[in-house]
Amino acid sequence: DAMVIQNPRYQVTQFGKPVTLSCSQTLNHNVMYWYQQKSSQAPKLLFHYYDKDFNNEADTPDNFQSRRPNTSFCFLDIRSPGLGDTAMYLCATSSGTGEVDIQYFGAGTRLSVL
Amino acid sequence: AQSVAQPEDQVNVAEGNPLTVKCTYSVSGNPYLFWYVQYPNRGLQFLLKYITGDNLVKGSYGFEAEFNKSQTSFHLKKPSALVSDSALYFCAVRDASGTYKYIFGTGTRLKVLA
Repeated sequence: DAMVIQNPRYQVTQFGKPVTLSCSQTLNHNVMYWYQQKSSQAPKLLFHYYDKDFNNEADTPDNFQSRRPNTSFCFLDIRSPGLGDTAMYLCATSSGTGEVDIQYFGAGTRLSVL
Repeated sequence: AQSVAQPEDQVNVAEGNPLTVKCTYSVSGNPYLFWYVQYPNRGLQFLLKYITGDNLVKGSYGFEAEFNKSQTSFHLKKPSALVSDSALYFCAVRDASGTYKYIFGTGTRLKVLA
């Protein structure tokens, strides 16, 4: 059974049209992550939450925002998508209990900006 | 700064032969190392991790990894490759800055030929 669920699996949007990607988890994990992955490259961390504490990466464009309304859900908002934002977006969780824990990934949302 | 390097973009191996996917790391302090696998259009799946203890770590699907402190390496191995092992493999290290961030290598594409 899927523990980290991303919706939609595929999203097509137009240049400049806002888009929201969603992620939910059934693991009750404290930490949730958003990664951007282009063309089988390494996943690039955009930001992560420890509970409600938001941690933005220094090189994450302002165009990318995130919300975590509760433990189970996390959203990635792209306010004005550009062609360069076409990528796979991966959500992941980890327990954040202090031990060195593993990350659990969703299946990803493949975003195409036309 | 912490980092991991995967020197090979692609590894080809014949089915039934042993396989090795290489990873080297650079960390301050104790390394917490991971291997993940990614199948097409899917998220990453955890294979194994090294925290401390035995240098040979066993993981999922018959994979194992050998930690070598003197060579700062954490190579992924399998005694007998299967065609179904063909995928993208990522080495990762846990950031030691006190956050819950993980740093991924650039990935190695494994092709197992029948």
